[in-house]
Amino acid sequence: DQQVKQNSPSLSVQEGRISILNCDYTNSMFDYFLWYKKYPAEGPTFLISISSIKDKNEDGRFTVFLNKSAKHLSLHIVPSQPGDSAVYFCAAFSPNAGKSTFGDGTTLTVKP
Amino acid sequence: GAGVSQSPSNKVTEKGKDVELRCDPISGHTALYWYRQSLGQGLEFLIYFQGNSAPDKSGLPSDRFSAERTGGSVSTLTIQRTQQEDSAVYLCASSSSGRLSYEQYFGPGTRLTVT
Repeated sequence: DQQVKQNSPSLSVQEGRISILNCDYTNSMFDYFLWYKKYPAEGPTFLISISSIKDKNEDGRFTVFLNKSAKHLSLHIVPSQPGDSAVYFCAAFSPNAGKSTFGDGTTLTVKP
Repeated sequence: GAGVSQSPSNKVTEKGKDVELRCDPISGHTALYWYRQSLGQGLEFLIYFQGNSAPDKSGLPSDRFSAERTGGSVSTLTIQRTQQEDSAVYLCASSSSGRLSYEQYFGPGTRLTVT
């Protein structure tokens, strides 16, 4: 039973447009949600997080939205740039377990 | 400061051999995690160390896999009698304690190929 799901394996957008990456979760005990970005041959790097008590967190071009009732979060990138092309992992942190559960990732391609 | 380092970066081994993968976490980080990523797959949790507590081994796929963390710092992941399905990128991550404990810092990974 996968507790964190990213249903879109890939997404392609034009440079300058908005990229929206989605993530669904099942465990209501998660209290932090994170997005990581991964380039080929590198480890994932932390991008942005949101606490379960908030519904939005913004950092420059990146905004994460959390809908707790729907158990859904999304990452918005605007404007998208070719350098944003990477695999994006959604993760949910459980304080009881002390660890994060990751989704399978979405490969974003931003076309010039 | 130095990030998480892993060695070797690449390892090719014959089926049936044992391998050891090493992780040096960020200095002062109390938590250390091992994951693996098979081709085209997501991050699969393997094992988690937190301070002096007993490790969470719930993700280890079989008893051929084991890990230890010496002195609360360096960790070694050992795979015995490797199989072709063990081929993957093995990623190590560490995190601090306290308020930002949910943010993990990943190493570059070790690409393991079992022939």
